[in-house]
Amino acid sequence: SQTIHQWPATLVQPVGSPLSLECTVEGTSNPNLYWYRQAAGRGLQLLFYSVGIGQISSEVPQNLSASRPQDRQFILSSKKLLLSDSGFYLCAWSRGTDSGNTIYFGEGSWLTVV
Amino acid sequence: GDSVTQMEGPVTLSEEAFLTINCTYTATGYPSLFWYVQYPGEGLQLLLKATKADDKGSNKGFEATYRKETTSFHLEKGSVQVSDSAVYFCALSNNFNKFYFGSGTKLNVKP
Repeated sequence: SQTIHQWPATLVQPVGSPLSLECTVEGTSNPNLYWYRQAAGRGLQLLFYSVGIGQISSEVPQNLSASRPQDRQFILSSKKLLLSDSGFYLCAWSRGTDSGNTIYFGEGSWLTVV
Repeated sequence: GDSVTQMEGPVTLSEEAFLTINCTYTATGYPSLFWYVQYPGEGLQLLLKATKADDKGSNKGFEATYRKETTSFHLEKGSVQVSDSAVYFCALSNNFNKFYFGSGTKLNVKP
């Protein structure tokens, strides 16, 4: 069966510090990978989307970036965090190109920028 | 661009009451539609889905029908339980396999 792991689960970082959140998927190959942010009262915002290694689509201009160094690894990064980067970050994956495929989420990472 | 709009919460109901959470969408082409549920402190889980017009998704007593003419996918349950308290997200996926979510509706069910 397929599983998705993301870490760390919680993170408290000062303004201006770097960020690295990691996500890996097991039990499948060539998944579509996603990073979402869930800010309080704003629902889920799609940040990045990837259909393959090195192929990253950015949905929202900001000071975050994403990389996919391996087929089942997706990393969310920032060089300098802002207060507005605080939120709940969710990694997710889906299979193939059929729009009816389900998206599966990790347990999320709570980021607090202080 | 593609988007999903759902009713704002919180929605507070007594146990065994009827539930409706409205969801409408804007999309090019023919998206698939989903409802996800998020229990406190957890990630999102698929509740039900429909992949084409007039399809009805159902699971755990929840139902939603894909209405192309009204671009809607309203979530319903005939008799809610305390254990249904959670945040519910409506979502669509388009031909590029991008998923867009609504803002979420928090449901509180009181005994």
